Amino acid sequence: QSVLTQPPSVSGAPGQRVTISCTGSSSNIWEQYGAHWYQQLPGTAPKLLIYGNLNRPSGVPDRYSGSRSGTSASLAITGLQAEDEADYYCQAYDSSLRAWVFGGGTRLTVL
Amino acid sequence: EVQLLGSGGGLVQRGGSLRLSCVVSGFSFTSYGMSWVRQAPGTGLEWVASVGGSGADTSYADSVRGRFTISRDNSKNTVYLQMNSLRDEDTAVYYCAKVQSVNYQSFDYWGQGILVTVSP
Repeated sequence: QSVLTQPPSVSGAPGQRVTISCTGSSSNIWEQYGAHWYQQLPGTAPKLLIYGNLNRPSGVPDRYSGSRSGTSASLAITGLQAEDEADYYCQAYDSSLRAWVFGGGTRLTVL
Repeated sequence: EVQLLGSGGGLVQRGGSLRLSCVVSGFSFTSYGMSWVRQAPGTGLEWVASVGGSGADTSYADSVRGRFTISRDNSKNTVYLQMNSLRDEDTAVYYCAKVQSVNYQSFDYWGQGILVTVSP
């Protein structure tokens, strides 16, 4: 059981918009550090997509966006492309556990 | 260019020990915390341990506390993970990762992954 809860899978057709949710608590996502999102392509290391709820590192396309509402965070991907097919993880720092925590991951399938 | 290069993985018997290393370049090593994150076969990401920039502050996941030790040698730009009393469930790909900043506690750069296999 992960501290952060994500749906196991989502799917969408090319060009569509998909969102992935991440539900936590007041001791992690609601905390000052916020939620972060990673993309993991098959056989590769994770890549930071969104940090601090909504900030994109340099080089990440603006098709990816993040938001936070209370103790939940969301990742939205617009203009879906075949190359977006990957596993996506949310992550936060939990001040009660004093630990970095991840969601269980969401597999995105581009139909 | 930021680079994290891990090494030291392999096959080890249950109850054995292994030390992973991660050499970094491209940023001011002492200014950032470093972490290890693992991924068991077919599963998600699990944070393992973190160390602050000076090496004085360390944190561990409950699953490894007392068996694993994270450390760093700032003169060598290297972070280590000493793994003792290895169990079957420690079989995973281990990633070293740079903590982005004290303000965000995200991981902005990752190593290539080191495979550790614990055999019965």
